[in-house]
Amino acid sequence: EVQLVESGGGLVKPGGSLRLSCAASGFTFSNAWMSWVRQAPGKGLEWVGRIKSKTDGGTTDYAAPVKGRFTISRDDSKNTLYLQMNSLKTEDTAVYYCTTMVRGIDYWGQGTLVTVSS
Amino acid sequence: NFMLTQPHSVSESPGKTVTISCTRSSGSIASNYVQWYQQRPGSSPTTVIYEDNQRPSGVPDRFSGSIDSSSNSASLTISGLKTEDEADYYCQSYDSSNRHWVFGGGTKLTVL
Repeated sequence: EVQLVESGGGLVKPGGSLRLSCAASGFTFSNAWMSWVRQAPGKGLEWVGRIKSKTDGGTTDYAAPVKGRFTISRDDSKNTLYLQMNSLKTEDTAVYYCTTMVRGIDYWGQGTLVTVSS
Repeated sequence: NFMLTQPHSVSESPGKTVTISCTRSSGSIASNYVQWYQQRPGSSPTTVIYEDNQRPSGVPDRFSGSIDSSSNSASLTISGLKTEDEADYYCQSYDSSNRHWVFGGGTKLTVL
């Protein structure tokens, strides 16, 4: 069974930093492309970015609102995905989900809430 | 770059059939697969349709997906509506030009 468990959310002041983690199990993590998607309170889904598997180059892509501030990385030895968020803004307040595709189907974690407020 | 446009809300009675549309603003709807996600209140999204019209195991066959090149849109159809189908539904596709995911704005389905 595919499982994705996010952690690391919390309250942070504008301009601050936070690192989210996503622990994965139930599939071959090292072969998987992993993504982060966020959802602001009462709003729709917004793609944040993606990291390819190392065998596919391990490259990253980011949505325009977070490019240059957020960094996605992975530790295949720990089956864990990360999202380093710097220079946080109030508009980054959202539930952050990690997702992956297994045999064509997207799986989602339960999400972790990030609140950016002074 | 393209956008996916969904109706903000739809409502229908139990036992009836409802169709939610997802219209692509530019480029062909057929050029990249469309996925549909269901999100019940307080829960994370789950996939109900992938690769335009494929249904994951465990998703009832009351759920079906299709694409229509003439209207450049994808559709999610739910037949035999049940109160448990009440949720937000999002379509999603891939933008090959910038390697980004694109989501529709979401449709709130009310079953009353």
